[in-house]
Parts: sequence; structure tokens; C-alpha cells
Amino acid sequence: EAEVAQSPRYKITEKSQAVAFWCDPISGHATLYWYRQILGQGPELLVQFQDESVVDDSQLPKDRFSAERLKGVDSTLKIQPAELGDSAMYLCASSAKLAGGPISIGTGELFFGEGSRLTVL
Amino acid sequence: QKEVEQDPGPLSVPEGAIVSLNCTYSNSAFQYFMWYRQYSRKGPELLMYTYSSGNKEDGRFTAQVDKSSKYISLFIRDSQPSDSATYLCAMSVVQGGKLIFGQGTELSVKP
Repeated sequence: EAEVAQSPRYKITEKSQAVAFWCDPISGHATLYWYRQILGQGPELLVQFQDESVVDDSQLPKDRFSAERLKGVDSTLKIQPAELGDSAMYLCASSAKLAGGPISIGTGELFFGEGSRLTVL
Repeated sequence: QKEVEQDPGPLSVPEGAIVSLNCTYSNSAFQYFMWYRQYSRKGPELLMYTYSSGNKEDGRFTAQVDKSSKYISLFIRDSQPSDSATYLCAMSVVQGGKLIFGQGTELSVKP
């Protein structure tokens, strides 16, 4: 069964260090999302890519976070320097490109990876 | 005020009970409504996807959307211990657009 792959699953780092997360979406999915989920809260969108282009990064703290999807396939999310408040689960999701027309089951459906849990000490 | 409000629970029910999970929202532009299930230390998985108002049923799960009241619900019939998870509501203005999630409700179904 196709799935979104993320690594590492767990990362412990000290504040001010750099950290990077990697995501490989489901093959053929044009849209890729990075969400951050703080414990006890719902996921919040950090950045959305359509192919290699950023569609929405309005909630990405650009002074310390960066994201890229150079070839429109896999993606990397980087944090430098990490802060205590960055401790969270970082979720990657992908979805197929919408073809337009009436809604159908699965259209626009996001498939999430298992996430990368970051602890900043 | 958050755009999407969801009672965080936790909610504990006996096996076989009917479970009702709810979300309210403030943005009347939301048109696409989803329920995700998230097991501990896992990513969310889509349970139900509905457009605009109305009901949708899938096995033991029924999703309801009342846009006039800005209120959505997920009902689980004959709940099972395997239904124990956090349930997240999510909604978007456009199809495939930015999803706004609720806080999640933690459900525990006791044997």
C-alpha cells in the first residue's frame, strides 16, 4: 500500500542546533504539505507545495524555518536554530492534483505520514 | 477565538455505545468537512469527507454537517475498543485547500 514516508521518526536536539526532516510523498502526488502538531492540539499548516512551487507558507516562521521541494518529489523541512517551543510532531502529507469537476471520494484527500517527533532540550 | 472549536475530552465510553463527536466553526466560507482519526504516535487518517450540508454514512460512522448552525458531528455506532483514538475535525474553504483542524477529541472505548 502506498504511503507517505518520513524520517527521522524521533529527534532530540538541544536548542540553537539545526534539525532537518525529510518526506517522500505518495508517488504521483503533486501536492505536499508540512504540518506541525503540538501535543494536545490539532495540526497547523506550515507550508504547502504544488509540485516544486510554494502555494502557502504564511504560517512558516521564516526566520528559522525553511522548506524545499527541489524536484517536485521529496521535501525537506529545516529548523535553524531550534528553540524550546519547536518541540512538536512534524507531519508531512500529500494529495493528488485536483482534476476539477464535481467532488468525488478521495479528491483532495490528504494522506499523512507517521510524523517526526521533535524534542528540543 | 479559534476558527474551529472541538471539545478535547477525554471521552470514555463502554464498548457498544453510540459516540457523538462535535465541532463548531466560525468561518461561514468553509465548504469541505472532514473527520480524521489519529492513533497514538501516528499520523491522522481520513475517516469521512463531506461537502456542504447533509449526512454521510460509512459503516458504523455517520458524519453530519449543519452549515446554518456552523456545526458538524461524527457519530460512531456500536463502538469498539479499536475505535480508541483522537478524532480530529478539519475543514477547508476550497477543495484541496488549506485545512483548519480542531483540537481533537480523545476517545477511549472500554471493553
